[in-house]
Amino acid sequence: QSALTQPPSASGSPGQSVTISCTGTSSDVGGYNYVSWYQQHPGKAPKLMLFEVNERPSGVPDRFSGSKSGNTASLTVSGLQAEDEADYYCSSYAGSNNLKVFGTGTKVTVL
Amino acid sequence: EVQLLESGGGLVQPGGSLRLSCAASGFTFNSYDMSWVRQAPGKGLEWVAAITDSGISTHYADSVKGRFTISRDDSKNTLYLQMNSLRAEDTAVYYCAKYSGLHWGQGTLVTVSS
Repeated sequence: QSALTQPPSASGSPGQSVTISCTGTSSDVGGYNYVSWYQQHPGKAPKLMLFEVNERPSGVPDRFSGSKSGNTASLTVSGLQAEDEADYYCSSYAGSNNLKVFGTGTKVTVL
Repeated sequence: EVQLLESGGGLVQPGGSLRLSCAASGFTFNSYDMSWVRQAPGKGLEWVAAITDSGISTHYADSVKGRFTISRDDSKNTLYLQMNSLRAEDTAVYYCAKYSGLHWGQGTLVTVSS
């Protein structure tokens, strides 16, 4: 099972928006609405930011939103804040054998 | 408050074995599917294994299939990962997490080196 493809980096100024893509196949991203996004600060455990494409767990700001089209999912962070600077990973259900696959990760820099 | 506390990591020689434990508290452990996820130094996340709430079904990444075994003891609220035939490429921080991804432990470092 190959990792989902994300751009290595993305950046934006405070207050701007940044969008990260996550490209898979019809066997994972394209086949199910079970795409999640995680935020990870250095030395910390990942934090769930979105699940089922665009659902936010309690406590996650509505500045974080998600979408999916075909085999590509996207995470948009609006109104960038300094604390949004982190690594972001997507993940997708990948069927009953491989179950879950993660993306390659994107480092978001707030300029 | 949900807590997941991993233990059992350390330095092991190639070909060796190690058993990781994850003590869970703050939620009804036997109602949740659980998983292990690892992260090699400076690299991305990799899903390793998962087990259903009943413990009946287990699933593994191809990279660990046949070498790692996930299990749970609901009487102890503890998740396990038995790792055999360890390789250098298994070196990583191993996280215990609810399969949903909502809660994670802080991770335990496994280093496979001679």
